[in-house]
Amino acid sequence: EPEVTQTPSHQVTQMGQEVILRCVPISNHLYFYWYRQILGQKVEFLVSFYNNEISEKSEIFDDQFSVERPDGSNFTLKIRSTKLEDSAMYFCASSDVQGPDTQYFGPGTRLTVL
Amino acid sequence: QKEVEQNSGPLSVPEGAIASLNCTYSDRGSQSFFWYRQYSGKSPELIMSIYSNGDKEDGRFTAQLNKASQYVSLLIRDSQPSDSATYLCARSSGGYNKLIFGAGTRLAVHP
Repeated sequence: EPEVTQTPSHQVTQMGQEVILRCVPISNHLYFYWYRQILGQKVEFLVSFYNNEISEKSEIFDDQFSVERPDGSNFTLKIRSTKLEDSAMYFCASSDVQGPDTQYFGPGTRLTVL
Repeated sequence: QKEVEQNSGPLSVPEGAIASLNCTYSDRGSQSFFWYRQYSGKSPELIMSIYSNGDKEDGRFTAQLNKASQYVSLLIRDSQPSDSATYLCARSSGGYNKLIFGAGTRLAVHP
């Protein structure tokens, strides 16, 4: 069964460093999302992406964040200058044209900012 | 922010019993509703989606939606210890819109 994949599974970085989290959505999906979950808290929406542009972003998704689809398979989230409060699980999700609001989540990347 | 509310639990049920999980939402514009299961340290896994008032059954799971009362529920029949997880209720305004999640209800099924 097709699934969303994410790399790395765990990323440790120093405050102020840039990180890139990578996702490979399900191959025929056209809608892509990033969510995050701080330990013990809700899953929060960050950004949605369709047709090579951002569809919607939350107030969390400030100028330090960016997304990109550099090729036909990868979808990346970049945090330019990480803060301690960026420590969280980051989930990529995707959905297809047939059921765009049915989102399938990847396994997540645990980001630890020291 | 239009919220999704869930009782955090834990909800403890014996093996073989019916587990009933509830969720309320405040945005009447919500079109689509979802139940995800999340094991500790893992990602949300889609269990059910429901769009219309009434019941929708899939195996041991039944989702119920009442838009007038702004209420969604999930019933798990013949609960198994492997069902022990946090169950997340989510809503969207439809289409490719974002999901808004509740904080989740922790379910513990004991043998």
